[in-house]
Amino acid sequence: GAVVSQHPSRVICKSGTSVKIECRSLDFQATTMFWYRQFPKQSLMLMATSNEGSKATYEQGVEKDKFLINHASLTLSTLTVTSAHPEDSSFYICSAPDRGRTEAFFGQGTRLTVV
Amino acid sequence: TQLLEQSPQFLSIQEGENLTVYCNSSSVFSSLQWYRQEPGEGPVLLVTVVTGGEVKKLKRLTFQFGDARKDSSLHITAAQPGDTGLYLCAGARVHSNSGYALNFGKGTSLLVTP
Repeated sequence: GAVVSQHPSRVICKSGTSVKIECRSLDFQATTMFWYRQFPKQSLMLMATSNEGSKATYEQGVEKDKFLINHASLTLSTLTVTSAHPEDSSFYICSAPDRGRTEAFFGQGTRLTVV
Repeated sequence: TQLLEQSPQFLSIQEGENLTVYCNSSSVFSSLQWYRQEPGEGPVLLVTVVTGGEVKKLKRLTFQFGDARKDSSLHITAAQPGDTGLYLCAGARVHSNSGYALNFGKGTSLLVTP
């Protein structure tokens, strides 16, 4: 089956720095990828939709200047958390929909800890 | 916005017991999916139900989709410690030109003890 690879799996950064998370579709092209955020023992909350070749669309309440999304190719989307603060610490997960189907393939997730 | 209500949120049972997890919504989705997620990993698809009244079985797991396509249930028979994890239901909705996006329920955290 299709695979989505996310990197890094965990990162610790200092408050005020920026962190980039990569999401790659390994054996298929993804014109769209979704970015989710998940707090401990809670569900996934959609943050934004990454669109290849165009601007990302953000869910209500998500700061687009803080969570920069770039989808420069059909196999790579990146999420950059800018000027990270401890409250940004969370589990970030990307997904790519299975083209023509309603299912999605998920990356392994990135555990971000801001100290 | 959470459009899916999942219950119970937490469940702790002993090996061999049966359990049912419910997923309810006021909306109709194109399909409803069940995922299982282990700590520190992304969700893994278990099943997709599309047709109202549909029942699907996956070994000891039985999934039902309500006739009105607004609710679903997951029943596990003779639970095993390996079933421990977070179970998420997700409704698929059309998302502009991007295909389908998923709305997730809050999840059911299941712990099966030996």
